[in-house]
Amino acid sequence: SQQGEEDPQALSIQEGENATMNCSYKTSINNLQWYRQNSGRGLVHLILIRSNEREKHSGRLRVTLDTSKKSSSLLITASRAADTASYFCATDAGSGNTGKLIFGQGTTLQVKP
Amino acid sequence: GAGVSQSPRYKVAKRGQDVALRCDPISGHVSLFWYQQALGQGPEFLTYFQNEAQLDKSGLPSDRFFAERPEGSVSTLKIQRTQQEDSAVYLCASSLVGASDRIAKNIQYFGAGTRLSVL
Repeated sequence: SQQGEEDPQALSIQEGENATMNCSYKTSINNLQWYRQNSGRGLVHLILIRSNEREKHSGRLRVTLDTSKKSSSLLITASRAADTASYFCATDAGSGNTGKLIFGQGTTLQVKP
Repeated sequence: GAGVSQSPRYKVAKRGQDVALRCDPISGHVSLFWYQQALGQGPEFLTYFQNEAQLDKSGLPSDRFFAERPEGSVSTLKIQRTQQEDSAVYLCASSLVGASDRIAKNIQYFGAGTRLSVL
């Protein structure tokens, strides 16, 4: 079964606007990652945040992590049409784990030119 | 190769047929994962290899599913007597590090997947 929920399930914005998507998870984690998936393609890693970090930036991406609430958010600033894709959070859960990632259900983002 | 390669990209099988899906990971990557992705859902873990050892197969949905990585490189996921509920995209991912290094990083590199349709 999947780790948790993402919201919104779908998001449609205009180019240049910011997009925020949220992820909740259930168990303790070592790190949380965000991946992007274009239609019919594999997943591409975007950013990783460790459990002892609260915020991380990479280019136009900003990720926050609140382990007390078991939640994370991904902010994409100044969106572009090329950002249109599905976005998934994935957790690497706890000690003893073999490294499998547990994914959320994803947010489908459409950026209109 | 430059990335993770999966073949075939598309597979149509009649119910009851056996299928074999291939994954070529990034050269030198220790870890290899198989995931199943149903339409509109996130990927779900099937099984994990560290080199040639299958360390976790807890996600395999039934004994009809079998995976191997005999030389610690190419992996094959085999599904016997396919059922309609097996229809999904099967994703393979590889990672440079093994389980013991996992706490530092576990960035996985995914192939484009094999879309299996069982009629």
